[in-house]
Amino acid sequence: DQQVKQNSPSLSVQEGRISILNCDYTNSMFDYFLWYKKYPAEGPTFLISISSIKDKNEDGRFTVFLNKSAKHLSLHIVPSQPGDSAVYFCAATVGTGTASKLTFGTGTRLQVTL
Amino acid sequence: SAVISQKPSRDICQRGTSLTIQCQVDSQVTMMFWYRQQPGQSLTLIATANQGSEATYESGFVIDKFPISRPNLTFSTLTVSNMSPEDSSIYLCSVAGSLSSYNEQFFGPGTRLTVL
Repeated sequence: DQQVKQNSPSLSVQEGRISILNCDYTNSMFDYFLWYKKYPAEGPTFLISISSIKDKNEDGRFTVFLNKSAKHLSLHIVPSQPGDSAVYFCAATVGTGTASKLTFGTGTRLQVTL
Repeated sequence: SAVISQKPSRDICQRGTSLTIQCQVDSQVTMMFWYRQQPGQSLTLIATANQGSEATYESGFVIDKFPISRPNLTFSTLTVSNMSPEDSSIYLCSVAGSLSSYNEQFFGPGTRLTVL
C-alpha cells in the first residue's frame, strides 16, 4: 500500500522555467511533509518542509504548496536551473518530523535542459 | 546540519555472508534511522536505532536479519546478515534532533550493496 505517491516518474523543464513536482498521499494522519533532492551516489538532501497547519512555505526558489482537502502537495522551483536536475522525493510523517519515520514517495526525476 | 558519514560506501558480497555498515555523525543527535532503497524503488524505513536499547523494527524487518547497534549518540551500525541477491540495495542512515536543526531528518551518503 503506497501511502505517498508521485505519479510522474520523470519531468523535463527548460532552464529558467518553472518546475512543478506533484505528490499525493492517502493517510489522513500525516501532518508534516518534506521534499528531498537526491543526486546519484549521494544520500537525499533535505530541501523544504511544510506543516499541515500551513498551505504554503517558501524558501528562495523553492515553494511547497499543501492542499489538505485533496491530500496533495506540490513543489515549485522557479526559475529552474541545470543544477536542479536530480530525483525529488516527497515524504510524509506523523508528528513534527523529528521522532517519526518518514514515508517516501517513489520519486520524480527532474531534468532541466538548457 | 549534521555531517554524516557511512562506511563502506559500496561493497560486493557473496551470498550467505554478512556485512556491517557504520554510520558516524559529527554531533550528538536524538534519533538515528536506517533506510533501504532497492533498485528503482522508494526509500523504506528498516528500523529506528535506539541508544542503549534494542532497535525498533518496521513491519517486514527483523532483528535476526538486520541487527542494529547504537552505543552512543553519534554512532550506529546496521548488519545485513546471511545475504541474498534480494538484499542488493542502497542502505542509508539518517539522523534527527541535532542542536542545530531539530525538526528535520538528514541522510548519510548511503552504502551501495551488491550481493552475488
